[in-house]
Amino acid sequence: NAGVTQTPKFQVLKTGQSMTLQCAQDMNHEYMSWYRQDPGMGLRLIHYSVGAGITDQGEVPNGYNVSRSTTEDFPLRLLSAAPSQTSVYFCASTRQGWGYTFGSGTRLTVV
Amino acid sequence: EDQVTQSPEALRLQEGESSSLNCSYTVSGLRGLFWYRQDPGKGPEFLFTLYSAGEEKEKERLKATLTKKESFLHITAPKPEDSATYLCAVQATGNNRKLIWGLGTSLAVNP
Repeated sequence: NAGVTQTPKFQVLKTGQSMTLQCAQDMNHEYMSWYRQDPGMGLRLIHYSVGAGITDQGEVPNGYNVSRSTTEDFPLRLLSAAPSQTSVYFCASTRQGWGYTFGSGTRLTVV
Repeated sequence: EDQVTQSPEALRLQEGESSSLNCSYTVSGLRGLFWYRQDPGKGPEFLFTLYSAGEEKEKERLKATLTKKESFLHITAPKPEDSATYLCAVQATGNNRKLIWGLGTSLAVNP
């Protein structure tokens, strides 16, 4: 039982490049979400999904896309990286009535 | 507007010196209040969920309590390994399991 697995752990991108942050969970959780964490800003919700085929925007969705083709996977795509997207990204999952399980994070730097 | 405020921002204790962290919240209807621990470079780790005023939960040296306006995380006889950032989040009724996060309290316990 691995929990929530995020890859890569570290990434450096050039402005304008695109990439996908991977997130996979093996707990059969229906709810998955992506957060970014910045100093002084706390955790901010980017996108979330309540089940396969269903996604919705959080509070800071601009510049990011998601899809949920399976219960296990919830990738986050950066369309055209900008320095403002330099952050630590966390994927989290949960099922009804339980606390969220977080991945170990991806530290992204956009230069 | 739904809001979560944590205090103090930072706390330094001597080993064995008990204290409390505060999480004040404003939400239209509370579905649950969550406490998490976050170590540097890692994702938040779930500690407790509280659902109704008067509820208490304990885990080792930690005890969480809940009133209609705030929650306390009491730390009894802390050890250096309790050093971490403690995050509070609330889930409002009807908001599809999205969490509203506080900025956290950074706790340092000196030996």
